[in-house]
Amino acid sequence: DTGVSQDPRHKITKRGQNVTFRCDPISEHNRLYWYRQTLGQGPEFLTYFQNEAQLEKSRLLSDRFSAERPKGSFSTLEIQRTEQGDSAMYLCASSPKQETQYFGPGTRLLVL
Amino acid sequence: AQSVTQPDIHITVSEGASLELRCNYSYGATPYLFWYVQSPGQGLQLLLKYFSGDTLVQGIKGFEAEFKRSQSSFNLRKPSVHWSDAAEYFCAVGIPTGGGNKLTFGTGTQLKVEL
Repeated sequence: DTGVSQDPRHKITKRGQNVTFRCDPISEHNRLYWYRQTLGQGPEFLTYFQNEAQLEKSRLLSDRFSAERPKGSFSTLEIQRTEQGDSAMYLCASSPKQETQYFGPGTRLLVL
Repeated sequence: AQSVTQPDIHITVSEGASLELRCNYSYGATPYLFWYVQSPGQGLQLLLKYFSGDTLVQGIKGFEAEFKRSQSSFNLRKPSVHWSDAAEYFCAVGIPTGGGNKLTFGTGTQLKVEL
């Protein structure tokens, strides 16, 4: 069990640039989630995949955000035209069943 | 809408002392409840979970939590705190969605352990 991995761990970008994050879930976990955590807050749900199907998106996920899981394994989260308010920790989690989620180490994004 | 309240933003305890972190939730049905711990700059580690059955659940690292439906609470306890327990603790409620379970978290409790 190698755990959930995320890449990169840290990203610094300039406002207006596009960024893409990758999440590799625990193998055979068919459920994958993205959350965003800002300083001093708990994580907030962004989106959920079961296999390759994106089944729910939060209203937090503006048009500038897009997530994919093309083969039902790894997932990517892209933010277009980044804004300073996008600075946060982006967390990925996976689960084999409905209940328990296992989190990765996160990608910390800083938008200058 | 569902919500989770962790009323204590910061808690300081001496090593060896007992610990209780409070969590109250608002949700219309029987909830899935979780406690996670987060060290600085890291992801979240699951401490314990409640789905149904026995209302006192045991977790890793000597933690336990008790589900009290009448009080809408799921408080986390540890009888003797170790310095390595210093971290941020998050309570979460799981909301079923499309075969999954999206989590709503509280704002967290930062635990400091004095030696």
